[in-house]
Amino acid sequence: EPEVTQTPSHQVTQMGQEVILRCVPISNHLYFYWYRQILGQKVEFLVSFYNNEISEKSEIFDDQFSVERPDGSNFTLKIRSTKLEDSAMYFCASSEGASGGDTQYFGPGTRLTVL
Amino acid sequence: SQKIEQNSEALNIQEGKTATLTCNYTNYSPAYLQWYRQDPGRGPVFLLLIRENEKEKRKERLKVTFDTTLKQSLFHITASQPADSATYLCALDDSGYSTLTFGKGTMLLVSP
Repeated sequence: EPEVTQTPSHQVTQMGQEVILRCVPISNHLYFYWYRQILGQKVEFLVSFYNNEISEKSEIFDDQFSVERPDGSNFTLKIRSTKLEDSAMYFCASSEGASGGDTQYFGPGTRLTVL
Repeated sequence: SQKIEQNSEALNIQEGKTATLTCNYTNYSPAYLQWYRQDPGRGPVFLLLIRENEKEKRKERLKVTFDTTLKQSLFHITASQPADSATYLCALDDSGYSTLTFGKGTMLLVSP
């Protein structure tokens, strides 16, 4: 069964450094998402992406964040200058459509630790 | 303000019993409500979606109800098994653009 993959599984970085989290969505999906989950808290929407553009973004997704689809298979989340509070699990998801009734398939996540 | 509330305390049940989890929401008018399962350190896994015009949806041992008047969804697992132990998340899409808003989840523990 096709699945969303994410690399790395765990990233440790120093505060102020840039990190890039990578995702390979399911191949025939057109909509891509990033969510994050701070330890012990709920899963929170960050951004959705379609047709090489951001569709929606939350208040969390400020200027330090950016997303890109650099080629036909990868979808990346860049955090320019990491802060301690960026430590969280970051989940990529993809769906065929975005009608609200389309299932989002989540990857296993990247655990980001900012020291 | 908009809220999604799920039982914060873990639900402990014995194998073979039916588990019932609750999701209540306020200040939303969702067209869809979804339930996900999340295991520790893993991503959410989609289980069921129910539309606002559906009262009930079933999939194998799972059943979801959706009451838009009460603003509540119930999630049932019948004949529960220890392998069902996980955190179950309720999620709404109020935007219409698939920006899911999740509840904090309820942990289910099924003992043999």
